[in-house]
Amino acid sequence: GAVVSQHPSWVICKSGTSVKIECRSLDFQATTMFWYRQFPKQSLMLMATSNEGSKATYEQGVEKDKFLINHASLTLSTLTVTSAHPEDSSFYICSAKDSQGQNQPQHFGDGTRLSIL
Amino acid sequence: AQSVTQLGSHVSVSEGALVLLRCNYSSSVPPYLFWYVQYPNQGLQLLLKYTTGATLVKGINGFEAEFKKSETSFHLTKPSAHMSDAAEYFCAVSGPSGGYQKVTFGTGTKLQVIP
Repeated sequence: GAVVSQHPSWVICKSGTSVKIECRSLDFQATTMFWYRQFPKQSLMLMATSNEGSKATYEQGVEKDKFLINHASLTLSTLTVTSAHPEDSSFYICSAKDSQGQNQPQHFGDGTRLSIL
Repeated sequence: AQSVTQLGSHVSVSEGALVLLRCNYSSSVPPYLFWYVQYPNQGLQLLLKYTTGATLVKGINGFEAEFKKSETSFHLTKPSAHMSDAAEYFCAVSGPSGGYQKVTFGTGTKLQVIP
């Protein structure tokens, strides 16, 4: 089946640093990837849609300069949390859709738990 | 815009009992519907999906769901609960606005299985 690898799975860093999270589709190509944020005991909130070779589309209320997204290839998207602060601590999950075929569902990575001290 | 409502944030069933997790959708046109499962500190795994065709959809791990347009529902069922089914379950919908690309998730239902 389709596999999405997300790295790192857990990161702890100091306030003010930047953190990069990678999302890779291992056995399929994905022109579109998605980045979600999940607060404890809550649902997933879409942050942005990442499009290969073009700018990401951010949801309302998500700071573009805070959460930088790069989708440089058909198998890799990165999310960089810049100048992270404790309120950015959360569980971040990426997903990817197979470019081939209609009606493809999103396949999810295992998430990254980010803790800012 | 489309949305889903999951009734019951927590559901408890005995091992071997029927599992029923409720999901109602709101969409002006026939949507695509999904059920995902999430185990602690992990991403989401697709259980099953409905796009077109047969309204009774069978998924992995013995789960199935039926798309009922008249009731705008897509409830998830499993005849006999297993301890390993304890997890959080999310119903999700996508629609023509956004070309069926964007998925909107429900608030989730945490399933507890009692031995």
